[in-house]
Order: sequence, then structure tokens, then C-alpha cells
Amino acid sequence: DVKVTQSSRYLVKRTGEKVFLECVQDMDHENMFWYRQDPGLGLRLIYFSYDVKMKEKGDIPEGYSVSREKKERFSLILESASTNQTSMYLCASSLNSGIDLSGANVLTFGAGSRLTVL
Amino acid sequence: GESVGLHLPTLSVQEGDNSIINCAYSNSASDYFIWYKQESGKGPQFIIDIRSNMDKRQGQRVTVLLNKTVKHLSLQIAATQPGDSAVYFCAESRGGGADGLTFGKGTHLIIQP
Repeated sequence: DVKVTQSSRYLVKRTGEKVFLECVQDMDHENMFWYRQDPGLGLRLIYFSYDVKMKEKGDIPEGYSVSREKKERFSLILESASTNQTSMYLCASSLNSGIDLSGANVLTFGAGSRLTVL
Repeated sequence: GESVGLHLPTLSVQEGDNSIINCAYSNSASDYFIWYKQESGKGPQFIIDIRSNMDKRQGQRVTVLLNKTVKHLSLQIAATQPGDSAVYFCAESRGGGADGLTFGKGTHLIIQP
């Protein structure tokens, strides 16, 4: 019944390491998103993608990049991890917003990936 | 500043009582709002949504109220149960699903036995 799968639930990395967070959805959704969640700050949008090979910056893209080579997969990349990137990372997907259906904008989230950078 | 916010970070209620979680938003152009529930160790899950052409929408034990005049959103949970214990987020559409949602900081609902 799992619809959005994040490959790693817990990761511990060292400062300067390259980190890949993988996300796969099986709902044939057009849009995919990466958020980070921090206590007292809620969810903040890092990057999103509305189509294969397309990406758009969210509110806090600095220090991150993304890759969408296939419709079902959206990867978040930390080129050189830093301690302030210790966080919970949430992937989500949604239907194409061009469809005017109630619920088309609803995001379906994965379970999250908790990253600790030492 | 924060586009969408919540009035209280923690709300404690007795089991069986009704809960009301509030949310304020600042973007008067927002036309779609969603409430999410996040249980410990899980990602946020959709509860209920409402469009700006509505004032009220009801689901199973939950009701969302929208007051566009004061840009206020609330989630009412009837007869709260232990399983309702979670963090609740309101979110507003950023202008279409492709842009994602802007989330409030969340309210932690604690159910007292």
C-alpha cells in the first residue's frame, strides 16, 4: 500500500560527504517535491519538479540539488554535507495541477529520511 | 515572514472532548487549504481540504472552517481519541499543485486520558 517510498529512513554522514536521498512514487504523479522539517520551523520547500528533467527552486535550495531522470523517481543531493543540513527530509508527490479536481493539489508524503551530519 | 501559521504549538485535551486547532494565513490570494496529520515517525497524511469558495467542509469526525475575512482556518476534531495524538499542520496552495504547499509550523495535539 506504500505509495511514496524514501529509500533511507536514517542516515549518518560526515561533514563534506556527498549525500543522495532517493524517493520513488508509484502513483504516476507529475509533480514531486523535497521538503525539510525542523522543530519550530515546520516544513520548508527545497526543490520541486513538475516533469521529467525539470526542476524548480523552492524556498531554501542553497546547498542542495535534485535530479528527475524518470517520472517516478526524484533524488535530493547534498554535494558537500554540512552540520546545518541535519534534518528530517520529506519527499512528496501530487497530480498535475492543470487538472481541476478536488484533491489534485494534495501532496502524498513519504515516511521521511532523518539525516544526521557529524 | 511566515505565510501560514498556527496560534498554539501544543494543545492538550481530554479524551472524548472536542479539539479545535487554529491557523492564520496572510496571503489573501490563497484559494486552497489543506490540513495534515503527522504521527510520530511518519510523514504527514492528508486529513481534509477546503477551497476558498467554501466556508465549511466536514469529514469523518473532522470539520474545517474557513473565514476569509480574517484569513483564519480551523480544524475541529469531534470526540478526540488517543489515536488523534499527532502534530497537525495547515497548508495553503502556493498557486497550483506544481508549486507545492506552504505549511504552518504545526500544533502538537496531546490527548489526556
